[in-house]
Amino acid sequence: KAGVTQTPRYLIKTRGQQVTLSCSPISGHRSVSWYQQTPGQGLQFLFEYFSETQRNKGNFPGRFSGRQFSNSRSEMNVSTLELGDSALYLCASSTWAGPLNTEAFFGQGTRLTVV
Amino acid sequence: TQLLEQSPQFLSIQEGENLTVYCNSSSVFSSLQWYRQEPGEGPVLLVTVVTGGEVKKLKRLTFQFGDARKDSSLHITAAQTGDTGLYLCAGALTPYGGSQGNLIFGKGTKLSVKP
Repeated sequence: KAGVTQTPRYLIKTRGQQVTLSCSPISGHRSVSWYQQTPGQGLQFLFEYFSETQRNKGNFPGRFSGRQFSNSRSEMNVSTLELGDSALYLCASSTWAGPLNTEAFFGQGTRLTVV
Repeated sequence: TQLLEQSPQFLSIQEGENLTVYCNSSSVFSSLQWYRQEPGEGPVLLVTVVTGGEVKKLKRLTFQFGDARKDSSLHITAAQTGDTGLYLCAGALTPYGGSQGNLIFGKGTKLSVKP
């Protein structure tokens, strides 16, 4: 069974540009969440999608957006990149199979560097 | 506001030593998970605890959920170099649904086990 796949693994962008990251969840998983990880702030929740609908959103500016497709694949976009957006962006999928099923299965992440 | 406090932030020990890391909160969680993350990779789920007072063992790792479901600990016996990594705890705030939006991560404990 394939795991969560994130592409690309590494990305270098300049300030002001925009970037799109992709995530393919585990087959059968309908919930996809995105996190930003930095040494200072740790893992911070960006947003979660379930069946193409955004269910939850973290405390990030509107420059950060996402979407989910009918096959559960998800993309996140960051516009007008800032130096502080440099981070490891992680995608996690879940089955949402029951009321206590919150285990997240993470991809390897996309390392974004903004210069 | 950091809902989940992990301590210590850094831990460096010799192979064969025992250690305990802690995860504390003033919030009550319906479940709590522990993950281990290696550099450049996504976190990998180690265990989920759901019942107050629950103890789970995974080989040399022992996980405990506090009676009030506000805190947890991870104890490693006879640490090995392969245990090196970032240990993250994550708490689910609501018993209803598997929304990742309610999965709150601590900042982690960075463990280094030296030979």
